[in-house]
Amino acid sequence: DAKTTQPTSMDCAEGRAANLPCNHSTISGNEYVYWYRQIHSQGPQYIIHGLKNNETNEMASLIITEDRKSSTLILPHATLRDTAVYYCIVRANAGGTSYGKLTFGQGTILTVHP
Amino acid sequence: KAGVTQTPRYLIKTRGQQVTLSCSPISGHRSVSWYQQTPGQGLQFLFEYFSETQRNKGNFPGRFSGRQFSNSRSEMNVSTLELGDSALYLCASSGANYGYTFGSGTRLTVV
Repeated sequence: DAKTTQPTSMDCAEGRAANLPCNHSTISGNEYVYWYRQIHSQGPQYIIHGLKNNETNEMASLIITEDRKSSTLILPHATLRDTAVYYCIVRANAGGTSYGKLTFGQGTILTVHP
Repeated sequence: KAGVTQTPRYLIKTRGQQVTLSCSPISGHRSVSWYQQTPGQGLQFLFEYFSETQRNKGNFPGRFSGRQFSNSRSEMNVSTLELGDSALYLCASSGANYGYTFGSGTRLTVV
């Protein structure tokens, strides 16, 4: 799986958009970008994933650059409950060493302030 | 629908003992993965089972083992416990869409 680079920490004011960047310059053509978050002492929670098109769901939007070397997770209206560690993961969806395996880095600690 | 269920939530064991943790996946999910989370190493992949077969394995010693039953429920076992095995153990299940749903984990403390 390709390596990802994320800022160690970020702050955001409640009600504002939180934009979390991720660099994945060695991403391969068959690898997807996944985002998970982990609230303290709970299991990671799936947020969104994409291949090359921008994606949006009820939780967030994912913007992937045209060259696919970086992406941004957008939480449009951050709340205090969005305070968590956010992980950007790149993985292929099929075969061999990908089965069941998500390679978590250190992630970004997002703190949402009142 | 019910999520991924892990039991027990908390466990305290003594060095040298063995432990078995259980994971019940989301109904219909056939893939179950296990992870270890520690402050120093973060989240690390242990192994993955699909239809009762181990398909993938991380870099952990043979003291860590697992199995999956015909109903997709999975167990992992750690033998000869060491202090360094103290961690949050997480399992995740996956269906056909490749999304992974995690359980709340089992917090294991080895004393």
